[in-house]
Amino acid sequence: GAVVSQHPSWVICKSGTSVKIECRSLDFQATTMFWYRQFPKQSLMLMATSNEGSKATYEQGVEKDKFLINHASLTLSTLTVTSAHPEDSSFYICSARRGLAGEDTQYFGPGTRLTVL
Amino acid sequence: AQTVTQSQPEMSVQEAETVTLSCTYDTSENNYYLFWYKQPPSRQMILVIRQEAYKQQNATENRFSVNFQKAAKSFSLKISDSQLGDTAMYFCAFMKKHAGANSKLTFGKGITLSVRP
Repeated sequence: GAVVSQHPSWVICKSGTSVKIECRSLDFQATTMFWYRQFPKQSLMLMATSNEGSKATYEQGVEKDKFLINHASLTLSTLTVTSAHPEDSSFYICSARRGLAGEDTQYFGPGTRLTVL
Repeated sequence: AQTVTQSQPEMSVQEAETVTLSCTYDTSENNYYLFWYKQPPSRQMILVIRQEAYKQQNATENRFSVNFQKAAKSFSLKISDSQLGDTAMYFCAFMKKHAGANSKLTFGKGITLSVRP
């Protein structure tokens, strides 16, 4: 159990275009999902917390208008990188929180590699 | 604020041997979770083991066990009978308990473990 999918796994886009990344919890409901960014050989950097039915909470320094997050259902959150530029190229990872009694854990998607040309 | 420190950037171990990965943390909280996540070359983050702070018994999962020293704020991971598939980056992480919808993970910088054949 606790499977999280992410789509697409790899995307290449032109500078100035927008890219949408989907994160789904496949076998549990997740009222909270998280979006991270990771550079090679580095730790995960939390970008935002996505709560179902409400606005996302962004970490300091993350541009809300560039990284749009929508959490429309208990199993789906999306991250849209708007007007992407080469500096947005990175590995983006989502996680979904399963908050069962006695077991509050984040399970991660496989990640999306974004390359902006 | 919480901090998680993984001071060893890299380690290497011979196949079938035992290795211990170190992690220390700093917090003023009394109720929290600690995690070890594994990130192999595929970059999929995988939960290895979880420990609740109020449980004195060290968590174990097959070949993986932890040495949780609450007073010393230390949370090391022991991998027994190392296998080639254990080659990965390992992250130690902290999460406050009962933090509601914004239960964030605080990650260490990670350690790269290489298992030698």
